[in-house]
Amino acid sequence: QQQVKQSPQSLIVQKGGISIINCAYENTAFDYFPWYQQFPGKGPALLIAIRPDVSEKKEGRFTISFNKSAKQFSLHIMDSQPGDSATYFCAASNGGDYKLSFGAGTTVTVRA
Amino acid sequence: EPEVTQTPSHQVTQMGQEVILRCVPISNHLYFYWYRQILGQKVEFLVSFYNNEISEKSEIFDDQFSVERPDGSNFTLKIRSTKLEDSAMYFCARGHQGAGYTFGSGTRLTVV
Repeated sequence: QQQVKQSPQSLIVQKGGISIINCAYENTAFDYFPWYQQFPGKGPALLIAIRPDVSEKKEGRFTISFNKSAKQFSLHIMDSQPGDSATYFCAASNGGDYKLSFGAGTTVTVRA
Repeated sequence: EPEVTQTPSHQVTQMGQEVILRCVPISNHLYFYWYRQILGQKVEFLVSFYNNEISEKSEIFDDQFSVERPDGSNFTLKIRSTKLEDSAMYFCARGHQGAGYTFGSGTRLTVV
Protein backbone atom coordinates (compact mmCIF):
# COMPACT_ATOMS: atom_id res chain seq x y z
CA GLN A 1 0.00 0.00 0.00
CA GLN A 2 1.60 3.21 -1.20
CA GLN A 3 0.57 5.95 1.19
CA VAL A 4 2.38 8.78 -0.59
CA LYS A 5 2.67 8.92 -4.36
CA GLN A 6 5.27 11.21 -5.90
CA SER A 7 5.80 12.38 -9.46
CA PRO A 8 7.67 12.80 -11.68
CA GLN A 9 10.41 10.25 -11.13
CA SER A 10 12.94 12.62 -12.61
CA LEU A 11 13.09 16.03 -14.21
CA ILE A 12 15.60 18.22 -15.97
CA VAL A 13 15.39 21.99 -15.72
CA GLN A 14 17.52 24.79 -17.02
CA LYS A 15 19.31 27.09 -14.60
CA GLY A 16 16.90 29.80 -13.54
CA GLY A 17 13.85 27.69 -14.31
CA ILE A 18 11.15 26.34 -12.01
CA SER A 19 11.11 22.74 -10.77
CA ILE A 20 7.76 21.36 -9.68
CA ILE A 21 7.32 18.06 -7.85
CA ASN A 22 3.93 16.70 -6.90
CA CYS A 23 2.76 14.37 -4.17
CA ALA A 24 -0.57 12.86 -3.24
CA TYR A 25 -1.48 11.11 -0.02
CA GLU A 26 -4.24 8.77 1.05
CA ASN A 27 -4.31 8.84 4.82
CA THR A 28 -6.46 11.75 6.02
CA ALA A 29 -4.87 11.45 9.47
CA PHE A 30 -1.61 12.82 8.10
CA ASP A 31 -0.99 16.29 9.43
CA TYR A 32 2.68 16.93 8.80
CA PHE A 33 4.16 17.11 5.31
CA PRO A 34 7.92 17.62 4.99
CA TRP A 35 10.15 17.69 1.95
CA TYR A 36 13.64 16.25 2.12
CA GLN A 37 16.62 16.87 -0.12
CA GLN A 38 19.19 14.12 -0.53
CA PHE A 39 22.59 14.28 -2.17
CA PRO A 40 24.39 11.08 -3.20
CA GLY A 41 25.90 9.28 -0.23
CA LYS A 42 24.19 11.55 2.29
CA GLY A 43 21.16 11.28 4.51
CA PRO A 44 17.94 13.12 3.73
CA ALA A 45 17.99 16.73 4.92
CA LEU A 46 14.81 18.53 5.89
CA LEU A 47 14.13 21.27 3.38
CA ILE A 48 10.74 22.65 4.27
CA ALA A 49 7.56 21.36 5.89
CA ILE A 50 3.91 22.31 6.09
CA ARG A 51 0.89 21.49 8.20
CA PRO A 52 -2.64 21.40 6.75
CA ASP A 53 -3.79 24.59 8.41
CA VAL A 54 -2.02 26.64 5.71
CA SER A 55 -2.18 26.36 1.93
CA GLU A 56 1.29 27.64 1.14
CA LYS A 57 4.65 28.02 2.81
CA LYS A 58 7.68 29.72 1.36
CA GLU A 59 11.29 29.58 2.46
CA GLY A 60 13.68 31.33 0.14
CA ARG A 61 13.41 29.76 -3.31
CA PHE A 62 11.40 26.79 -2.02
CA THR A 63 7.60 26.84 -1.75
CA ILE A 64 5.16 24.15 -0.66
CA SER A 65 1.61 24.37 -1.96
CA PHE A 66 -0.96 22.30 -0.09
CA ASN A 67 -4.46 21.30 -1.19
CA LYS A 68 -6.21 19.54 1.66
CA SER A 69 -9.41 18.71 -0.23
CA ALA A 70 -7.47 17.08 -3.05
CA LYS A 71 -4.98 15.48 -0.64
CA GLN A 72 -2.11 16.83 -2.68
CA PHE A 73 0.94 18.92 -2.03
CA SER A 74 3.77 20.11 -4.20
CA LEU A 75 7.25 21.58 -4.01
CA HIS A 76 8.24 24.46 -6.25
CA ILE A 77 11.90 25.35 -6.63
CA MET A 78 12.18 28.82 -8.09
CA ASP A 79 15.26 30.08 -9.94
CA SER A 80 16.73 26.56 -9.95
CA GLN A 81 20.50 26.38 -9.54
CA PRO A 82 22.98 23.60 -10.37
CA GLY A 83 23.50 23.13 -6.63
CA ASP A 84 19.83 22.14 -6.36
CA SER A 85 20.56 18.98 -8.35
CA ALA A 86 19.57 16.25 -5.90
CA THR A 87 16.85 13.75 -5.12
CA TYR A 88 13.80 15.22 -3.42
CA PHE A 89 11.43 13.19 -1.29
CA CYS A 90 8.04 14.21 -0.04
CA ALA A 91 6.81 12.57 3.12
CA ALA A 92 3.88 12.58 5.49
CA SER A 93 3.17 11.61 9.04
CA ASN A 94 0.53 11.74 11.68
CA GLY A 95 2.27 14.23 13.91
CA GLY A 96 5.81 15.47 13.52
CA ASP A 97 7.30 12.87 15.84
CA TYR A 98 5.81 9.79 14.25
CA LYS A 99 6.95 7.58 11.44
CA LEU A 100 7.30 9.17 8.05
CA SER A 101 5.85 7.65 4.91
CA PHE A 102 8.07 8.70 2.04
CA GLY A 103 7.31 9.18 -1.61
CA ALA A 104 9.43 7.38 -4.18
CA GLY A 105 11.65 10.41 -4.82
CA THR A 106 12.31 12.76 -7.71
CA THR A 107 15.77 13.23 -9.15
CA VAL A 108 16.19 16.85 -10.21
CA THR A 109 18.96 17.82 -12.59
CA VAL A 110 19.60 21.51 -13.15
CA ARG A 111 21.53 22.25 -16.33
CA ALA A 112 23.80 25.27 -16.34
CA GLU B 1 29.53 19.18 13.23
CA PRO B 2 26.81 16.67 12.34
CA GLU B 3 23.99 16.40 14.81
CA VAL B 4 23.57 12.66 14.27
CA THR B 5 26.72 10.59 13.77
CA GLN B 6 26.56 7.07 12.40
CA THR B 7 29.28 4.43 12.41
CA PRO B 8 30.56 2.73 10.44
CA SER B 9 29.96 4.59 7.21
CA HIS B 10 30.29 1.37 5.23
CA GLN B 11 30.19 -2.24 6.40
CA VAL B 12 30.61 -5.38 4.36
CA THR B 13 29.48 -8.61 5.97
CA GLN B 14 29.02 -12.24 5.08
CA MET B 15 25.49 -13.53 4.76
CA GLY B 16 24.36 -15.00 8.06
CA GLN B 17 26.63 -12.82 10.16
CA GLU B 18 25.45 -10.38 12.80
CA VAL B 19 25.98 -6.67 12.33
CA ILE B 20 25.56 -3.76 14.70
CA LEU B 21 25.04 -0.28 13.34
CA ARG B 22 25.65 2.61 15.68
CA CYS B 23 24.21 6.06 16.01
CA VAL B 24 25.20 8.88 18.34
CA PRO B 25 22.52 11.53 18.45
CA ILE B 26 24.06 14.62 20.01
CA SER B 27 21.62 16.39 22.31
CA ASN B 28 19.18 14.77 24.62
CA HIS B 29 16.13 13.81 22.62
CA LEU B 30 13.41 11.30 23.32
CA TYR B 31 12.49 10.21 19.79
CA PHE B 32 14.84 8.13 17.66
CA TYR B 33 14.28 6.22 14.47
CA TRP B 34 15.87 3.82 12.06
CA TYR B 35 15.08 3.95 8.37
CA ARG B 36 16.60 2.12 5.44
CA GLN B 37 16.98 2.90 1.77
CA ILE B 38 17.68 0.17 -0.75
CA LEU B 39 19.79 1.54 -3.59
CA GLY B 40 17.73 3.76 -5.86
CA GLN B 41 14.55 3.29 -3.88
CA LYS B 42 12.58 5.29 -1.36
CA VAL B 43 13.35 5.65 2.31
CA GLU B 44 11.47 3.10 4.42
CA PHE B 45 10.58 3.25 8.09
CA LEU B 46 11.95 0.47 10.28
CA VAL B 47 11.38 1.37 13.91
CA SER B 48 10.77 4.27 16.26
CA PHE B 49 12.15 4.42 19.77
CA TYR B 50 10.61 6.67 22.37
CA ASN B 51 11.69 7.07 25.95
CA ASN B 52 13.96 4.01 25.62
CA GLU B 53 11.27 1.71 24.28
CA ILE B 54 10.11 0.67 20.83
CA SER B 55 7.00 2.70 20.07
CA GLU B 56 6.31 1.46 16.56
CA LYS B 57 7.86 -0.92 14.05
CA SER B 58 7.23 -1.81 10.44
CA GLU B 59 6.70 -5.23 8.88
CA ILE B 60 10.33 -5.07 7.74
CA PHE B 61 11.47 -5.02 11.37
CA ASP B 62 11.14 -8.74 12.06
CA ASP B 63 12.75 -10.92 14.72
CA GLN B 64 16.14 -10.54 13.03
CA PHE B 65 16.22 -6.86 14.01
CA SER B 66 16.62 -5.28 17.42
CA VAL B 67 17.35 -1.82 18.75
CA GLU B 68 18.97 -0.70 21.95
CA ARG B 69 20.18 2.39 23.68
CA PRO B 70 22.71 0.62 25.86
CA ASP B 71 24.39 3.54 27.55
CA GLY B 72 21.83 6.30 27.25
CA SER B 73 23.71 7.92 24.39
CA ASN B 74 24.51 5.45 21.61
CA PHE B 75 21.57 4.02 19.72
CA THR B 76 22.17 0.70 17.96
CA LEU B 77 20.45 -1.39 15.33
CA LYS B 78 21.37 -5.06 15.31
CA ILE B 79 20.67 -7.50 12.52
CA ARG B 80 21.21 -10.99 13.87
CA SER B 81 21.61 -13.05 10.70
CA THR B 82 22.04 -10.87 7.65
CA LYS B 83 20.50 -11.71 4.31
CA LEU B 84 21.45 -10.46 0.87
CA GLU B 85 18.29 -8.35 0.79
CA ASP B 86 19.41 -6.48 3.92
CA SER B 87 21.93 -4.65 1.75
CA ALA B 88 20.90 -0.99 1.96
CA MET B 89 21.70 2.38 3.46
CA TYR B 90 20.56 2.52 7.06
CA PHE B 91 19.75 5.92 8.51
CA CYS B 92 19.37 6.85 12.12
CA ALA B 93 17.30 9.95 12.89
CA ARG B 94 16.24 11.93 15.89
CA GLY B 95 13.01 13.83 16.35
CA HIS B 96 12.55 17.48 17.15
CA GLN B 97 9.32 17.33 19.09
CA GLY B 98 6.97 17.90 16.20
CA ALA B 99 9.40 19.86 14.04
CA GLY B 100 10.70 17.04 11.89
CA TYR B 101 13.77 14.83 11.95
CA THR B 102 17.50 15.12 11.60
CA PHE B 103 18.94 12.17 9.73
CA GLY B 104 22.47 10.90 10.02
CA SER B 105 24.66 10.35 6.97
CA GLY B 106 23.89 6.67 7.03
CA THR B 107 25.68 3.33 7.08
CA ARG B 108 25.97 1.49 3.82
CA LEU B 109 25.54 -2.20 4.57
CA THR B 110 26.65 -4.66 1.92
CA VAL B 111 25.85 -8.33 2.51
CA VAL B 112 27.85 -10.74 0.35
